[in-house]
Amino acid sequence: DTEVTQTPKHLVMGMTNKKSLKCEQHMGHRAMYWYKQKAKKPPELMFVYSYEKLSINESVPSRFSPECPNSSLLNLHLHALQPEDSALYLCASSLIGGPGNEQFFGPGTRLTVL
Amino acid sequence: GIQVEQSPPDLILQEGANSTLRCNFSDSVNNLQWFHQNPWGQLINLFYIPSGTKQNGRLSATTVATERYSLLYISSSQTTDSGVYFCERNAGNMLTFGGGTRLMVKP
Repeated sequence: DTEVTQTPKHLVMGMTNKKSLKCEQHMGHRAMYWYKQKAKKPPELMFVYSYEKLSINESVPSRFSPECPNSSLLNLHLHALQPEDSALYLCASSLIGGPGNEQFFGPGTRLTVL
Repeated sequence: GIQVEQSPPDLILQEGANSTLRCNFSDSVNNLQWFHQNPWGQLINLFYIPSGTKQNGRLSATTVATERYSLLYISSSQTTDSGVYFCERNAGNMLTFGGGTRLMVKP
């Protein structure tokens, strides 16, 4: 298995809703990442987990809450989002964190906040 | 901050043409990856190339780390090559994408 999966593919939510994005990999990778990509822009790093511990938080608002319950699974909990948070959310994994490690990306979740 | 710049930002080719995409970075690099993002948003790994040259079919890439640039060559382009090409620089905990090159290959 050499892929990263993400669910759901699409999500529409209101500003008062609570929802979660899920990412899974079974490649034995120990680093997992969340990126946010707005239309016609490059992906921007949000969070990095290394060995199930949060190692990087790129000053992301607290309405985004990451969770890494085990080495294969990464969640992003969403609460009280704003319309400007509408974007493609991409998950990635690599063998370990840090330099020199090839990243593999999932297909993304396209989020719309009404 | 660390800058990663890609050129050209947009490129239109006739099917069968060759092209070179460039990625410049302002600081040292431990890892440099090239991706192709398809119209559905999936980032497809093309090359993991911190230095040297690699080839995969019609695509090849060269990174000259000492001069802080990487090149992606596409030969005999096909309509399926259309999409956005990104380079991503990885240095320690700094992961930075370039702005991308949007490629359209016309039949």
